[in-house]
Amino acid sequence: DAEITQSPRHKITETGRQVTLACHQTWNHNNMFWYRQDLGHGLRLIHYSYGVQDTNKGEVSDGYSVSRSNTEDLPLTLESAASSQTSVYFCASSDGSGAYEQYFGPGTRLTVT
Amino acid sequence: GENVEQHPSTLSVQEGDSAVIKCTYSDSASNYFPWYKQELGKRPQLIIDIRSNVGEKKDQRIAVTLNKTAKHFSLHITETQPEDSAVYFCAASIPGTASKLTFGTGTRLQVTL
Repeated sequence: DAEITQSPRHKITETGRQVTLACHQTWNHNNMFWYRQDLGHGLRLIHYSYGVQDTNKGEVSDGYSVSRSNTEDLPLTLESAASSQTSVYFCASSDGSGAYEQYFGPGTRLTVT
Repeated sequence: GENVEQHPSTLSVQEGDSAVIKCTYSDSASNYFPWYKQELGKRPQLIIDIRSNVGEKKDQRIAVTLNKTAKHFSLHITETQPEDSAVYFCAASIPGTASKLTFGTGTRLQVTL
């Protein structure tokens, strides 16, 4: 069955370190998204991609980057982790043919100490 | 950009009663309005959605209504059950943005026995 996975599921890192969170989907979806979820803020969009080699900034993109070298993967990199980036991160994907439903991964809980 | 407000932030109902969650959006061009349910520690999952050419949609005990003139939409859950306890998120999408969603801040629904 098609699915979307994230790794690691839990990560503890130190301030200033570079961290990469992986997202892999087997839906063959063109669109992929990264969100962070914090209490009181809901789901906020960090970056998104409409296809290979395409990336776009969301509303909270500072300190994060993504790259899209194939259809299946959209890794999220924290260039220099900060305590304010402690959060739960969700990856999602959707078909680019006009269907709007987004399918979410299981999430990664990141703690920056 | 789009802004989505969601109320209330918490809602407690007795089992069997109805629950209503309301959202407003700012961009009159928005044309897709999904609702996601997130159980504790799990990923958000789509439970129902509506497009702007429809005023109401039902699926068993849940329904969504849309008022384009007032730019608001609501989730209605009837005959609530303990398994309905979760956080519910509304969202809106603008045409031409390849299903990019703006989410509300969530409503924590507690169904008590």
